[in-house]
Amino acid sequence: GQQVMQIPQYQHVQEGEDFTTYCNSSTTLSNIQWYKQRPGGHPVFLIQLVKSGEVKKQKRLTFQFGEAKKNSSLHITATQTTDVGTYFCAAMDSSYKLIFGSGTRLLVRP
Amino acid sequence: DAGVIQSPRHEVTEMGQEVTLRCKPISGHNSLFWYRQTMMRGLELLIYFNNNVPIDDSGMPEDRFSAKMPNASFSTLKIQPSEPRDSAVYFCASSLGSGGRGPYNEQFFGPGTRLTVL
Repeated sequence: GQQVMQIPQYQHVQEGEDFTTYCNSSTTLSNIQWYKQRPGGHPVFLIQLVKSGEVKKQKRLTFQFGEAKKNSSLHITATQTTDVGTYFCAAMDSSYKLIFGSGTRLLVRP
Repeated sequence: DAGVIQSPRHEVTEMGQEVTLRCKPISGHNSLFWYRQTMMRGLELLIYFNNNVPIDDSGMPEDRFSAKMPNASFSTLKIQPSEPRDSAVYFCASSLGSGGRGPYNEQFFGPGTRLTVL
């Protein structure tokens, strides 16, 4: 079935440094979603990408969908302590279920 | 809007006992999802409903797990009998859209139920 690989598993950065998490699939994706889960919280939807090569920005967050629609990335510029949490990508499979990646846990040193 | 509501927020039970988790989706949403999250296995989809009908239950671990959605505003996930390996956080999520299709298929998660089976 559909699998989505996400790396790295953990990232520990100094506040102000940049952060990037990557999501890869062996099959072409119809779309991809990104979620953020704060420690002790629940996943919260960030964005959805649909088009090949699409780039969307939300303040310091930049989301990109690969040209072949097999990979995606989330980049945070100048991290802040409020960015702490686990970032998940999620891809929709052929039966319209969301398959979540394993997540990247971001820790930010103040 | 109150968002997705789950109860209880925490449940501690003993092995062999029946556990029932409850979920109220966002009003107007027609898709409902049950997920389980553990450190080892991450976030797993157990079952999802569309218009109160179970569409895919391939993620349900075994016959000890069952889920129902008797109406558009309520769903339950039952574990009987419970085992220590069922300990996890169980999330309910809802979305607008037919089985998640279409552009408006972001999922809204509830706060989760943290289940501990001793």
